[in-house]
Parts: sequence; structure tokens; C-alpha cells
Amino acid sequence: DGGITQSPKYLFRKEGQNVTLSCEQNLNHDAMYWYRQDPGQGLRLIYYSQIVNDFQKGDIAEGYSVSREKKESFPLTVTSAQKNPTAFYLCASGDRSSGNTIYFGEGSWLTVV
Amino acid sequence: AQTVTQSQPEMSVQEAETVTLSCTYDTSESDYYLFWYKQPPSRQMILVIRQEAYKQQNATENRFSVNFQKAAKSFSLKISDSQLGDAAMYFCAYRSARGGADGLTFGKGTHLIIQP
Repeated sequence: DGGITQSPKYLFRKEGQNVTLSCEQNLNHDAMYWYRQDPGQGLRLIYYSQIVNDFQKGDIAEGYSVSREKKESFPLTVTSAQKNPTAFYLCASGDRSSGNTIYFGEGSWLTVV
Repeated sequence: AQTVTQSQPEMSVQEAETVTLSCTYDTSESDYYLFWYKQPPSRQMILVIRQEAYKQQNATENRFSVNFQKAAKSFSLKISDSQLGDAAMYFCAYRSARGGADGLTFGKGTHLIIQP
């Protein structure tokens, strides 16, 4: 089936640790995105990538890093510099081939313990 | 920068009735896209409906329709014959049509409650 797969669904991080959230898509989209959602809030853009080996900071990039070595994959690393990482993280993709509609994965919950 | 405002944090409607969710946005662009997404308790974001700004005709998808008023920068969602499965958070979102795929700008959402 075509879609966007995020893993893991639930992740626990200890203070001072880096963790990586996986995102894979088989929709052949050039553009991919990472959003963060806090309770009772809308989504805020962390990073986006328009093409392989290129990515741009979004509104809240501090404490996060990404890579885009393959078209299908856009992993997000939450570093120890992110002071309040507990949130719901959504990966998305979409470009002109999808009529500029952005589609989302099922999300990953990250909790600091 | 674009902004999206949803002024109704929560709405409640009786099952089978009609409800309208409000959304306004601010932009200096003339070409863009507007979306409504549904987020049920599972938290997955599901596309409900999409509108292209250059199209005057309002988009419809089965029981869901929009009232797009470009001059007023308003984009409301009407849900007809409300069903229990419609209960969710609804987010209005804006996307520029210019080159450079910089994603969606979201409102803060409206929590829709369906009363049986």
C-alpha cells in the first residue's frame, strides 16, 4: 500500500539522550516535512526537505536535526539540546504530483522520562 | 507570513444535524491552497477537503462542503447529517502555491463534539 510510515509509535527518552524518529514514504514525493504537535495545539513545522540532500529549517528547528540521503526517507533526530521534547511528531509528504496536498503518517509519541 | 485563525475552540452538534466550523486566514498572496484536516483520537491527520484559491466553485466531498470567500479570506467547513464518527479535532490549513515547498500553516483547531 502507498503511504507514509513512521516508527516507532511510542518512544521514551532519558534526559541527555538523542533519539531518532523514522519516516519512510513510497508515494514518490520530492517534498517531506516534520511537524510537532503539543496538547491542545495545532501543528508547527520543524524541518522540511524539497529534494534529496537538501533541507530547510521550519519555525521550531532548534534542538532538532534531519537528513535526506534518500528520496523515501527523512529521519528526525531529537537532540539533547531540545529542552522540552515531549510531544507528538508527525511526518508528512506532498508536492506538485499530489496537487500540492500534504499527506501525513500516523505519528510518533515521544516522552522524556 | 501567513496566519490561520480558528475562532471556535469547541463546537457541539446533535447527531444528524448540520454544523459549520469557521476559519479565517491572512495572506498577501493570490494563489494558494486551503485544506481542512480531521484528527480523531488516534491522532492521525486525515484530509477532509481541499480548495484551490483560483477556483471560485466551493469544494464538496460527500457530506462535507466549504464556503470559500476569497475577498473576505474566509474558509468555513460545513458538515451535513453529522455522524458520531465525525467527532474529532478539525484543523484549517493554508499552503502557498509559489515554488519552494515550505509546507502548511495550521490554525489551532476546533474540537467537534457530536451529541447522540
